[in-house]
Amino acid sequence: KAGVTQTPRYLIKTRGQQVTLSCSPISGHRSVSWYQQTPGQGLQFLFEYFSETQRNKGNFPGRFSGRQFSNSRSEMNVSTLELGDSALYLCASSRDRARETQYFGPGTRLLVL
Amino acid sequence: AQSVTQPDIHITVSEGASLELRCNYSYGATPYLFWYVQSPGQGLQLLLKYFSGDTLVQGIKGFEAEFKRSQSSFNLRKPSVHWSDAAEYFCAVLPAGGSQGNLIFGKGTKLSVKP
Repeated sequence: KAGVTQTPRYLIKTRGQQVTLSCSPISGHRSVSWYQQTPGQGLQFLFEYFSETQRNKGNFPGRFSGRQFSNSRSEMNVSTLELGDSALYLCASSRDRARETQYFGPGTRLLVL
Repeated sequence: AQSVTQPDIHITVSEGASLELRCNYSYGATPYLFWYVQSPGQGLQLLLKYFSGDTLVQGIKGFEAEFKRSQSSFNLRKPSVHWSDAAEYFCAVLPAGGSQGNLIFGKGTKLSVKP
């Protein structure tokens, strides 16, 4: 069974631009969560989607948004990029919510110049 | 507030030596507990998890972890470290029984292995 895939793997943007990252969960998994990883803040939860609905959101500004499609694939969008948005963005999928193990993709490395 | 503490930022061990990585959590009820490993430039790979039952859990790559409720700890161990174990290790908790579905991670422990 294929794992979680994320595209693109690497991305370079400039301040003020926007970016869209994509995540395809493991087949049969309905929950997708997004995390941001930076050297200073570590791994921080962005949001969780289940059945096309955002179920949980972390403490990030409204510039960070996401959505989930009927096939469970998810996208996250960051508008008006700032230098501090440079990070590794990780997507994780799980079969269901609560009590389920989350499996992570390889991440998208975003560099904002 | 819920939190996860990994007291050791960086640990160096010799190949073949034993390893213990510490993890303490702060949460009202026993959460679900996980250890993940991350190699440079990679995503997170699940090593093992604890939901309930036997407090000593076995994982992949020869790792095990022991849940101690009285100490709110979930330490990761390996009896003999291999050079390929050099990576960063993250302890994480998932609040049990609620609708909150996000993992809360520790800051990580970077493991270096000396030949």
